[in-house]
Amino acid sequence: DQQVKQNSPSLSVQEGRISILNCDYTNSMFDYFLWYKKYPAEGPTFLISISSIKDKNEDGRFTVFLNKSAKHLSLHIVPSQPGDSAVYFCAASRGHSGAGSYQLTFGKGTKLSVIP
Amino acid sequence: NAGVTQTPKFRVLKTGQSMTLLCAQDMNHEYMYWYRQDPGMGLRLIHYSVGEGTTAKGEVPDGYNVSRLKKQNFLLGLESAAPSQTSVYFCASSYRGTRSEQYFGPGTRLTVT
Repeated sequence: DQQVKQNSPSLSVQEGRISILNCDYTNSMFDYFLWYKKYPAEGPTFLISISSIKDKNEDGRFTVFLNKSAKHLSLHIVPSQPGDSAVYFCAASRGHSGAGSYQLTFGKGTKLSVIP
Repeated sequence: NAGVTQTPKFRVLKTGQSMTLLCAQDMNHEYMYWYRQDPGMGLRLIHYSVGEGTTAKGEVPDGYNVSRLKKQNFLLGLESAAPSQTSVYFCASSYRGTRSEQYFGPGTRLTVT
């Protein structure tokens, strides 16, 4: 049972346009969400996060939106650059203490290609 | 400041052989994690540690053991490797366990034949 779903395995976007990556989750206990970016042959690197008490968080060109009622979050990249081409993973965790609270549950990833 | 390092980067094992993967971090993080990533899959947690001398099971712990004898090191052992353990293994560390970003190492690509 996949608790974090990224239904689009790949996405192609023209340079300068907006990239929108989507993520859905099923576990209502998740209350902290993160996006990681991964280049080939490297480890994932943290991009941006959002707590369930917020519905938006911005960091430069990157904005994450959270819709708790729909159990959906999205990552917007504006404007997209060729260097943004990578695999993006959505991850979720339960923020409170207790068993399982340290675990990040990852989606399968979306490969973004930004075309010059 | 090297962050999180992993040794080795690549390894080929025969079925039944054993090996240990080493993870080291220089950020004085309390929490450390071992994940595996398989093709078309997200990262799955194998084991984790909330501090020196502690370990706990994650989502897919079978066939692996871990030890955290020093705060900066987290070892992942395979006692009797199986082809199903062919994967890319990532180590990560974080300052806190919850609401805290995890910093990942570059990965170890393991093939079991």
